[in-house]
Amino acid sequence: QLQLQESGPGLVKPSETLSLTCTVSGGSISSSNYYWDWIRQPPGKGLEWIGSIYHSGSTYYNPSLRSRVTISVDTSKNQFSLWLSSVTAADTAVYYCAKHEAIVDAFNIWGQGTMVTVSS
Amino acid sequence: QSALTQPPSVSGSPGQSVTISCTGTSNDVGSYNRVAWYQQPPGTAPKLIIYEVSNRPSGVPDRFSGSKSGNTASLTISGLQAEDEADYYCSSYTSSVTLVFGGGTKVTVL
Repeated sequence: QLQLQESGPGLVKPSETLSLTCTVSGGSISSSNYYWDWIRQPPGKGLEWIGSIYHSGSTYYNPSLRSRVTISVDTSKNQFSLWLSSVTAADTAVYYCAKHEAIVDAFNIWGQGTMVTVSS
Repeated sequence: QSALTQPPSVSGSPGQSVTISCTGTSNDVGSYNRVAWYQQPPGTAPKLIIYEVSNRPSGVPDRFSGSKSGNTASLTISGLQAEDEADYYCSSYTSSVTLVFGGGTKVTVL
């Protein structure tokens, strides 16, 4: 069965760029009708959608983060990645990658999440 | 984009029913049936329990049901069980071709 696993640094300095990768196993990232998304959750707070990417490279971003976010896909590695620039303490959160069923716009498979702390 | 509005908490005794509301606007919940609900027990990743307003993925108990009226979607848990204690989030597709979550609701089983 399909699984997602986030990886990347757990600590990022303020003003630097946060970079995470999600590896998809048990299925192809190039499957039709699925988007691949990043979602985050600050400690003790709710979920925030960051953005989506299709295997063709088409992207959609949260307007509040659009100026700082880039999501890319590497179909040869079955991975997609998140870059978030100019981070501050407000970007400290658990970051999840998720499989997004396009037809119904629901996240039906999630990674376990990875905690990223922004601190000097 | 503004988060969908959910009550911070609801509670009920075992066996009772609880309903969580999720209020949006005509730009999201009111115009699309692409409303989903997620259950998140403490320390775990969210799990999809309702999609397209009222459909349950395979394996989700039929105690969980969803509905929508106007700009407000609702999740009802019937026959509340101790294992249902968790945070619940709604989400919706929006007219800006984005997705938005609700602020989350903590369900407590008394």
